Amino acid sequence: GQQVQQSPPASLVLQEGENAELQCTYSTTLNSMQWFYQRPGGRLVSLLYSPSWAEQRGGRLTSSAASNESRSSLHISSSQITDSGTYLCATSYNNNAPRFGAGTKLSVKP
Amino acid sequence: DMKVTQMPRYLIKRMGENVLLECGQDMSHETMYWYRQDPGLGLQLIYISYDVDSNSEGDIPKGYRVSRKKREHFSLILDSAKTNQTSVYFCASTPGGAHNTLYFGAGTRLSVL
Repeated sequence: GQQVQQSPPASLVLQEGENAELQCTYSTTLNSMQWFYQRPGGRLVSLLYSPSWAEQRGGRLTSSAASNESRSSLHISSSQITDSGTYLCATSYNNNAPRFGAGTKLSVKP
Repeated sequence: DMKVTQMPRYLIKRMGENVLLECGQDMSHETMYWYRQDPGLGLQLIYISYDVDSNSEGDIPKGYRVSRKKREHFSLILDSAKTNQTSVYFCASTPGGAHNTLYFGAGTRLSVL
C-alpha cells in the first residue's frame, strides 16, 4: 500500500521570521496531496489541497510537488509563533482513501 | 456552516466494554472516514464509507466495525474494547471520493482501562 514519510521526521525548531520547508515522500504515483495543520489535541485543519502536481499558494504557504521524485514540499515563509503546531501531509492514489504521514512538529521561538 | 461533529469528545471505558463513537456532517458528503491517531504514527485509516451501507475496510480494521444508515451519520463501534484501542479517533468527510479536501471532526479521545 501507499507509504508516506515526512521530514523533518519528528520536529523542527525555528526562530521567528525564518523560513521552513517540510517534505512528504510517498511510494506510489500521486493523485492528490493535502497539507494539514493541527494544534496539540486539536482538529486537523486543511491548509492546501493539490490535485496531482499543481503548485498551490495560500498566503505565506506554498506547496509544490516533484513528480519524478514522488515528493512534495510545504514552504512556510517568515514563520510566526502562531505557526507552531504539527503539520501532516496526506496523499491519495488510484482513487483510494488518503494516507497520512506521521507529521512534523514545528516550534517557532521568539 | 460546514461542519463535522464528533460525539463524545472524551470517553473512558473499561476493557471488554462496548464503545460507540458517533460522527455527523451537515454537508451531504458521500464519503466518510474513520482514522485513529497515536503518537509518532500519524493517522491510520480504520474504515471508509462511500455512502449509506457501502463501507470498506481501511488499513487497521481489526477490532472495529462501522455503521452508516444515513448519509450524514457514520458510527464506529468497538465490541469488547481493548487497552490498545486507547487513542484519539478522528472522523472525516469529503464530497466525493479521495480527490477532494478532507473535512475533519474535532476528535474523540478514548481511554480503555
